[in-house]
Amino acid sequence: KNQVEQSPQSLIILEGKNCTLQCNYTVSPFSNLRWYKQDTGRGPVSLTIMTFSENTKSNGRYTATLDADTKQSSLHITASQLSDSASYICVVSATSGTYKYIFGTGTRLKVLA
Amino acid sequence: DGGITQSPKYLFRKEGQNVTLSCEQNLNHDAMYWYRQDPGQGLRLIYYSQIVNDFQKGDIAEGYSVSREKKESFPLTVTSAQKNPTAFYLCASNRQVSGNTIYFGEGSWLTVV
Repeated sequence: KNQVEQSPQSLIILEGKNCTLQCNYTVSPFSNLRWYKQDTGRGPVSLTIMTFSENTKSNGRYTATLDADTKQSSLHITASQLSDSASYICVVSATSGTYKYIFGTGTRLKVLA
Repeated sequence: DGGITQSPKYLFRKEGQNVTLSCEQNLNHDAMYWYRQDPGQGLRLIYYSQIVNDFQKGDIAEGYSVSREKKESFPLTVTSAQKNPTAFYLCASNRQVSGNTIYFGEGSWLTVV
């Protein structure tokens, strides 16, 4: 069964600190993996996309890693800001089928001043 | 500006009533999707469409209906057969069904009163 699991479910950190969010997947055949940021009551916005051959990709203070062998990805946020408070969703797409995007349940991050 | 517009942002439905959520995109995307988001759960696919005048059921299509008469429009009707319609609904689109980044609208909140 195709699944995407994220941890932790929620996280609280102080402004300026770093944090790492985890995503484990059992999706086959793997096509790519995306991280989205979703502010409360808004639509998700894409942060990064990673294909099978990519290990690391950065987008400003966000750095995503991918280990295709262990089927794990992480999203590292550096020097967190209050505006980073949001849910972060890991989405894995499969190459077969017509629409296979599998969504994780997200990690809810709260950054405190 | 290019993007996906959902309306209304907030909608209330009475028991036994059908309601329609609007989704319009000016990104010239071929594929469009409707997702439902409930607290603590990942996004679940309701319907998707690859081309005009064609659409397919997703994982939770019961109680919903869609149409795709124009490339830029993909309205979702929540019928009275949907027994638990209170949720956050997200419309999305991309250039092709598999692989490319999905872009999301800002979402619509539907509440049963």
